[in-house]
Amino acid sequence: DVKVTQSSRYLVKRTGEKVFLECVQDMDHENMFWYRQDPGLGLRLIYFSYDVKMKEKGDIPEGYSVSREKKERFSLILESASTNQTSMYLCASSFFAVWVVNEAFFGQGTRLTVV
Amino acid sequence: TQLLEQSPQFLSIQEGENLTVYCNSSSVFSSLQWYRQEPGEGPVLLVTVVTGGEVKKLKRLTFQFGDARKDSSLHITAAQPGDTGLYLCAGSGENTDKLIFGTGTRLQVFP
Repeated sequence: DVKVTQSSRYLVKRTGEKVFLECVQDMDHENMFWYRQDPGLGLRLIYFSYDVKMKEKGDIPEGYSVSREKKERFSLILESASTNQTSMYLCASSFFAVWVVNEAFFGQGTRLTVV
Repeated sequence: TQLLEQSPQFLSIQEGENLTVYCNSSSVFSSLQWYRQEPGEGPVLLVTVVTGGEVKKLKRLTFQFGDARKDSSLHITAAQPGDTGLYLCAGSGENTDKLIFGTGTRLQVFP
C-alpha cells in the first residue's frame, strides 16, 4: 500500500515562528503536492514538485516555501507564521504521467493553529 | 489560474434519494478526477475520466465528463448514509501533472 506520512497531526505555533511541515512517501512517486484545506474553499494548491529540487508555485504560494532534496521527502516551510495560515495542510504524491493524471495519495493532514 | 467550481456546496438528503453534484470550469482539463474525503482523513480517489463525453459507473455512482472537457458531474442513485462525506473534483491541464481541486460538496445522508 502507498503510504504518505505527515510528521504531525496537530501543531500549535506562535505568530512569527518559522514552521516546518514534513511529508514522506514510500512509493517512489515523482510528483508531490502541498495543499491547504479551509471550509468552503476545497483544497488549494500551495506548491507542486515534479522531481527532486524542482518546484512550481500553486495558487497560493505567498508566505510559504518548499524544499525537495530527496525524492521521498517534501517539506513545506512557513517563513514567519501568521494567524491567517491557521488551516489543515495536506500532502499528496503521485506517479508522473503527461497524458493523464494519476491517482494522488494523501497523508492524513496536519492541523496547524497559529496563535 | 484554473478554477473548478462545485455545486451545490452542501447537500442534506434522506436515504434512498438521488442526487447530482456538478463541477464546472472555464478551462479545459486533460483529465478529471473525483475524490471522497471523510472526517480526519485525506481524500481518496473514486474515479478518473479522460475522454470528453465519457461516462463511468461505480456501483450506484455515475460520473460524466463533459464533451468539451470543462465540466463533470457525479450522480448518486439511492443514496445511503455511508455515502456521507466531502466530494471533491480535481483536474489537471494539458502537459502537466499539477492537480487542482474544486471547492467541494459536503453530502449528508440521513437514515
